[in-house]
Amino acid sequence: AQSVTQLDSQVPVFEEAPVELRCNYSSSVSVYLFWYVQYPNQGLQLLLKYLSGSTLVKGINGFEAEFNKSQTSFHLRKPSVHISDTAEYFCAVSGLTGGGNKLTFGTGTQLKVEL
Amino acid sequence: GAVVSQHPSRVICKSGTSVKIECRSLDFQATTMFWYRQFPKQSLMLMATSNEGSKATYEQGVEKDKFLINHASLTLSTLTVTSAHPEDSSFYICSARARGTGELFFGEGSRLTVL
Repeated sequence: AQSVTQLDSQVPVFEEAPVELRCNYSSSVSVYLFWYVQYPNQGLQLLLKYLSGSTLVKGINGFEAEFNKSQTSFHLRKPSVHISDTAEYFCAVSGLTGGGNKLTFGTGTQLKVEL
Repeated sequence: GAVVSQHPSRVICKSGTSVKIECRSLDFQATTMFWYRQFPKQSLMLMATSNEGSKATYEQGVEKDKFLINHASLTLSTLTVTSAHPEDSSFYICSARARGTGELFFGEGSRLTVL
C-alpha cells in the first residue's frame, strides 16, 4: 500500500516569488509519482510525472519536481509564481505492481498567490 | 486536450432518493474509469474501478449496493448513489484512462448535497 503526505495545507506567496510545495510518500514497492493541479470549478490537470530516469522532472506552466528516493520526497517547485497559479495542488503516487492503475492522493495544498 | 465531462456538476436531493452522476469522455475512448470521493480538506479516495462491459471493482469499505457503477460503453460511466443520506454528501470525481495512450484525465467533479 502507498500513502502520500502533503505537509502544507495552504501556502501563501507573493507574485514572482519562488515556491515549493512539499510531498512525501511511503511505499513498499517502487512507485510512479504525479502532481496534479485543480483550478476552481475545474477537473484535475496533470502538471508532471516521474516514471523513471532523470530525477528532475519538468512539467507544464514552469513547474518542476525532483524525485528523492532516499528522502521519499517529490517536492514541486516554481522559481517565479504568477497570480494564475493560484489553485489546489495534489501529489499522487501509484505502485508499480498490483495497483499500477490506482492513484493514491495527498490531501492537497492550496497555493494562494498574492500581489 | 482530452476532456472528461461530469454531469451534473451540482445536485441537491432529499434523503432517501437516488442520484445518478454521469462521466463521459468526450473525444477519446476510455478503457477504464475510476470514481473518487473527496471530503473537504481531504484526499481523493478511490471508490471503484470500472472497465467497459464488466462489473466494477470496489475498494474496501465501499458499499456496492449503495454506489452502483455502470460502464456501458467506452465513453460513459455512471455512478448511482442509492437511497442517499446526508453522510453521502461529498464531491465525486471521475477519471478516465484513454485507450491506446493510457493517459489519465479527470472530470470536473460533481458536488452532491443530501438534505
